[in-house]
Amino acid sequence: AQKITQTQPGMFVQEKEAVTLDCTYDTSDPSYGLFWYKQPSSGEMIFLIYQGSYDQQNATEGRYSLNFQKARKSANLVISASQLGDSAMYFCAMREGPGNEKLTFGTGTRLTIIP
Amino acid sequence: DAGVIQSPRHEVTEMGQEVTLRCKPISGHNSLFWYRQTMMRGLELLIYFNNNVPIDDSGMPEDRFSAKMPNASFSTLKIQPSEPRDSAVYFCASRSGISGANVLTFGAGSRLTVL
Repeated sequence: AQKITQTQPGMFVQEKEAVTLDCTYDTSDPSYGLFWYKQPSSGEMIFLIYQGSYDQQNATEGRYSLNFQKARKSANLVISASQLGDSAMYFCAMREGPGNEKLTFGTGTRLTIIP
Repeated sequence: DAGVIQSPRHEVTEMGQEVTLRCKPISGHNSLFWYRQTMMRGLELLIYFNNNVPIDDSGMPEDRFSAKMPNASFSTLKIQPSEPRDSAVYFCASRSGISGANVLTFGAGSRLTVL
């Protein structure tokens, strides 16, 4: 079974609108961390936001927020007021268990912002 | 800090040749990871080191791949002999063991093309 599932291969969104990128995960470990990375066309991987499984509140970082629904095992990324520079691939990733170093990535969603 | 530094950024070689990719992690980071990104398989963890010691190499495709970390500031990923199916972007990433969020900082990647 896939550990991280991103069901939207591509999305087109009008500039200044909000966008939600979906991510579901699969783990039986009560301790885990969820991450979102952005990969623009230049290729580098840029960390955006982190959510721990025991965090009581949804993580926020500027225009990025993580809609964490633990019971549904979903960790959707919300980008408010989208900008042209948000066009990129977005990857959801998970680290399972305390002390586990490995990050497992989803297949990504390509977001295109339309002017 | 200069971030994670990878070299070369681009490498084109012929099948059968030896390829060496290099990585300098962020100073003070005690964990180093090698990932491979392809269209077909996405981002895959090849191997990671903790305090210069290889911890998990289960993602290394086969014996043609080897990785070393002789000191805290340098790691290499070697492919010998290279094959066309090794064509991919290889990312090095490092992490500080202090961070609770265990955020990986990625290098810019090395794009390998094997003809």
